[in-house]
Amino acid sequence: GDSVTQMEGPVTLSEEAFLTINCTYTATGYPSLFWYVQYPGEGLQLLLKATKADDKGSNKGFEATYRKETTSFHLEKGSVQVSDSAVYFCALRSAYNQGGKLIFGQGTELSVKP
Amino acid sequence: GAVVSQHPSWVICKSGTSVKIECRSLDFQATTMFWYRQFPKQSLMLMATSNEGSKATYEQGVEKDKFLINHASLTLSTLTVTSAHPEDSSFYICSARLDYEQYFGPGTRLTVT
Repeated sequence: GDSVTQMEGPVTLSEEAFLTINCTYTATGYPSLFWYVQYPGEGLQLLLKATKADDKGSNKGFEATYRKETTSFHLEKGSVQVSDSAVYFCALRSAYNQGGKLIFGQGTELSVKP
Repeated sequence: GAVVSQHPSWVICKSGTSVKIECRSLDFQATTMFWYRQFPKQSLMLMATSNEGSKATYEQGVEKDKFLINHASLTLSTLTVTSAHPEDSSFYICSARLDYEQYFGPGTRLTVT
């Protein structure tokens, strides 16, 4: 079945460091891919998404490119801030179930130190 | 736009009692809502898909008689945890579908004592 694998956390960075959180997926066809962010004690917020191969999603300085050849959707940010500290979830939605459920990775906790 | 609320944001109940959690889409109508459960430092586990006017579809391993879901209107779905026990303590998150996207509520922290 479809699945998402993220790099394990926690990831600890200094402010202004470069961030990469790896995400790979297994799915048939061309699923839609998402990154969600969860701040402590809150629900999930959509950070960015991509719906077809080679699409780049971007928001708030974060970027991720849909790579079909490597089945990856790695999250990057050039300069992190303390306020970026949160848990980041990679997720996919099957190409064959557009209104259906999301499949989440295990989440990666990011801690940014001043 | 596309705001989803949950009520209450946290609740403490005694073992053996039932507790109801509401999920509302505030500025859109949602024929489909989803209920997730999240344990500390873990990912979201989909419990069930709630469809307005029909029975919910539960994921494998989720007790439908314990977690009652009612989606009586296009803006409201409720999750009732019946005869709650300490192991039901968790963070419950709902989402509502608009077009092809899911919008998440802020979550409800349930503690069963």
